Amino acid sequence: DTGVSQNPRHKITKRGQNVTFRCDPISEHNRLYWYRQTLGQGPEFLTYFQNEAQLEKSRLLSDRFSAERPKGSFSTLEIQRTEQGDSAMYLCASSSGDSNQPQHFGDGTRLSIL
Amino acid sequence: DQQVKQNSPSLSVQEGRISILNCDYTNSMFDYFLWYKKYPAEGPTFLISISSIKDKNEDGRFTVFLNKSAKHLSLHIVPSQPGDSAVYFCAASGGGSEKLVFGKGTKLTVNP
Repeated sequence: DTGVSQNPRHKITKRGQNVTFRCDPISEHNRLYWYRQTLGQGPEFLTYFQNEAQLEKSRLLSDRFSAERPKGSFSTLEIQRTEQGDSAMYLCASSSGDSNQPQHFGDGTRLSIL
Repeated sequence: DQQVKQNSPSLSVQEGRISILNCDYTNSMFDYFLWYKKYPAEGPTFLISISSIKDKNEDGRFTVFLNKSAKHLSLHIVPSQPGDSAVYFCAASGGGSEKLVFGKGTKLTVNP
């Protein structure tokens, strides 16, 4: 399978705990994106990497959220001190570095906060 | 403010007929537009895109039309098939940003 891979698929945790999600992009893609989707809404942009550089961050990405892509390959998204409002589907996408190329999405990690 | 709007939450069509999904945008800096299809418990799947230098792009049964003056795009599916039943998202990017801005989606049901 050469698509975008996200792990875990589901995460259930108690409020206040830290969680970390992983995304493995399509191998030849140097751009990687994180989005969050809640019920009845379209995906909302969180942040974007080109190789290992984090080039854009949404104001949705509060201080409790941090994303890394240390070697320009896989990426992690960590949420510290989770809150009820963090419950959502977290989607990762990747694209090539060429202009006007579509982003290809993984199947997401569904986070549920108890 | 919602920069990409899909005003129809749902659409139902008969198999074999045309499905037309609509999308409006407000940001004149957007120059690249995409449609994604999403099944439950899966991520969005890319369908078709169009650059602002074009007004039409076709790929098999799917055609996207762009009307820049009206800030409107539409996705036509002909003929519609039951397997097309899914939620369809319109997305846009531009203005020097790589992020996609999505609409809220339209749920398409194709009845056999």
